[in-house]
Amino acid sequence: DGGITQSPKYLFRKEGQNVTLSCEQNLNHDAMYWYRQDPGQGLRLIYYSQIVNDFQKGDIAEGYSVSREKKESFPLTVTSAQKNPTAFYLCASSIGQGPGTGELFFGEGSRLTVL
Amino acid sequence: AQSVAQPEDQVNVAEGNPLTVKCTYSVSGNPYLFWYVQYPNRGLQFLLKYITGDNLVKGSYGFEAEFNKSQTSFHLKKPSALVSDSALYFCAVSSPWGGSYIPTFGRGTSLIVHP
Repeated sequence: DGGITQSPKYLFRKEGQNVTLSCEQNLNHDAMYWYRQDPGQGLRLIYYSQIVNDFQKGDIAEGYSVSREKKESFPLTVTSAQKNPTAFYLCASSIGQGPGTGELFFGEGSRLTVL
Repeated sequence: AQSVAQPEDQVNVAEGNPLTVKCTYSVSGNPYLFWYVQYPNRGLQFLLKYITGDNLVKGSYGFEAEFNKSQTSFHLKKPSALVSDSALYFCAVSSPWGGSYIPTFGRGTSLIVHP
């Protein structure tokens, strides 16, 4: 079945360590996104990519990095510079621009806890 | 800039009663509007969208939403609530013409359906 796979589902990290969250999609979507979810704050956009080898900062990009070397993959690295990284991270994809934009397909999320 | 307001953090309704989850939006140009549902520790699932045409949109699981341009609203409704409808609901807006095709999400409304 087509969909988005995020891994790991749960991750624990010590302060000062970088961690990479994986996101893979087999929907042949052009656009991919990373959101952060905190209780009561909704979803906040970290980074997005409309095409391979190109990505743009979202509203809260500081302390995060991404790459888009393949259409199917959009990994997110949470660096030690991110001051409050404990959160639920959601990866999503969409067909890109046009009438289908905004209809996102989400992965199951990765919960990162910094110890 | 585009924005979404979900004025209620929580909505309580008895099983079998009609439910409404409110959403208002602000955007330049014509909006694309979306509703998503999230169950605990899961990703978001698409429920329905308004792009153009009939103001009443029908979606998954018996949900529907009414687009009201004059009130800039897109309230989610269901004639008869089920306990299994209890979840977190997000409204989102995008606007490829005057704003951004990337959807902006509201903070979410927790729907609790009591047996």
